[in-house]
Amino acid sequence: GNSVTQMEGPVTLSEEAFLTINCTYTATGYPSLFWYVQYPGEGLQLLLKATKADDKGSNKGFEATYRKETTSFHLEKGSVQVSDSAVYFCALTPYSGAGSYQLTFGKGTKLSVIP
Amino acid sequence: NAGVTQTPKFRVLKTGQSMTLLCAQDMNHEYMYWYRQDPGMGLRLIHYSVGEGTTAKGEVPDGYNVSRLKKQNFLLGLESAAPSQTSVYFCASIVGGRRRVSGQETQYFGPGTRLLVL
Repeated sequence: GNSVTQMEGPVTLSEEAFLTINCTYTATGYPSLFWYVQYPGEGLQLLLKATKADDKGSNKGFEATYRKETTSFHLEKGSVQVSDSAVYFCALTPYSGAGSYQLTFGKGTKLSVIP
Repeated sequence: NAGVTQTPKFRVLKTGQSMTLLCAQDMNHEYMYWYRQDPGMGLRLIHYSVGEGTTAKGEVPDGYNVSRLKKQNFLLGLESAAPSQTSVYFCASIVGGRRRVSGQETQYFGPGTRLLVL
């Protein structure tokens, strides 16, 4: 079956530090890959996505590249801010001719950024 | 657009009580989903629907029922609540459709319902 493994947290960084959150996946075919972010007390929001190999998703200074050879989709940001403190989820939806688009999530990584 | 809304925001139940969680979306999306979020577990799919009048089981369907009588609404029911169902419940929707079209697979989430079963 499909699965997503992401680095366990919590992760605590100082403001302006470099962020990497690792994510690897197992899926057949060519899944679409996502990073969702959950701010305290809120629902999930799409942060970025990539739908095919070598695609790079980017948003709000965050980036992730779809690496099919290593089945990875690591999230990076060059300089984090306090406002980036949140829980980050890596997820995939498999290619499916029927298009049910079910999401499989990793367990989430909590990021805390301190001033 | 309000997007995806959920009611109630918070509820306390006693073991054995029943309740219904309502999810509504105003984006004319075909597909809707119910997830539960538990500490250290990420989000797990309970049930989903690929159109009005259709429902299907997800990863953790036991103890829940769903209905999609109207396209814009997706109801999650607990017939006899148990403490193991204490969780945060999220609803999501996507454009959907049988042909895979780039961009239509992004799920939009509601703000969540926090449920405590005593």
